[in-house]
Amino acid sequence: KQEVTQIPAALSVPEGENLVLNCSFTDSAIYNLQWFRQDPGKGLTSLLLIQSSQREQTSGRLNASLDKSSGRSTLYIAASQPGDSATYLCAVRPETSGSRLTFGEGTQLTVNP
Amino acid sequence: NAGVTQTPKFQVLKTGQSMTLQCAQDMNHEYMSWYRQDPGMGLRLIHYSVGAGITDQGEVPNGYNVSRSTTEDFPLRLLSAAPSQTSVYFCASSYSRWSQPQHFGDGTRLSIL
Repeated sequence: KQEVTQIPAALSVPEGENLVLNCSFTDSAIYNLQWFRQDPGKGLTSLLLIQSSQREQTSGRLNASLDKSSGRSTLYIAASQPGDSATYLCAVRPETSGSRLTFGEGTQLTVNP
Repeated sequence: NAGVTQTPKFQVLKTGQSMTLQCAQDMNHEYMSWYRQDPGMGLRLIHYSVGAGITDQGEVPNGYNVSRSTTEDFPLRLLSAAPSQTSVYFCASSYSRWSQPQHFGDGTRLSIL
């Protein structure tokens, strides 16, 4: 059974710092990996999607990398801002079960002004 | 605005009561799904549908029923509510089961007393 772990569970940084969020998964037979953002009381917003054949994806100040063989992904946030404060979740989709996603529990990020 | 709409946003039930959580999308998405989000458990798939008239079970389907009579709507029914079903419920949709990203609603916060 696929398990997804996110470390750290919570992170507090001053504004302007570059930071890295980690995601690991136990079964490397994945179709893709996705990073989401969740604001309090809201649903999930997709940030980046990395296909299993890709190494990284970038969107603005966000960069996500994928090392499928070692079961790891990182989300790099450059020059963090208070507006980046949210919970970040990663989810993997397996090769064989279609759209079923397995989620990590998330990293709660606080960026202090 | 286009998107996934969930109603109600909050609900308190007594053990044994039944209710239906509504989910509607106006993006003509074929694939719709229901997740529950619990502390320490992440998001878990309850049921999903790949098109009108077709539904299937996810990871935690017990105690829940779904139907998909139209492309737009995918209601989730709790037949006899139990305290273990206290959770935040999210509905998501995408163009197909293989397409990403999935669009999430803002969730329904359900408490069973």
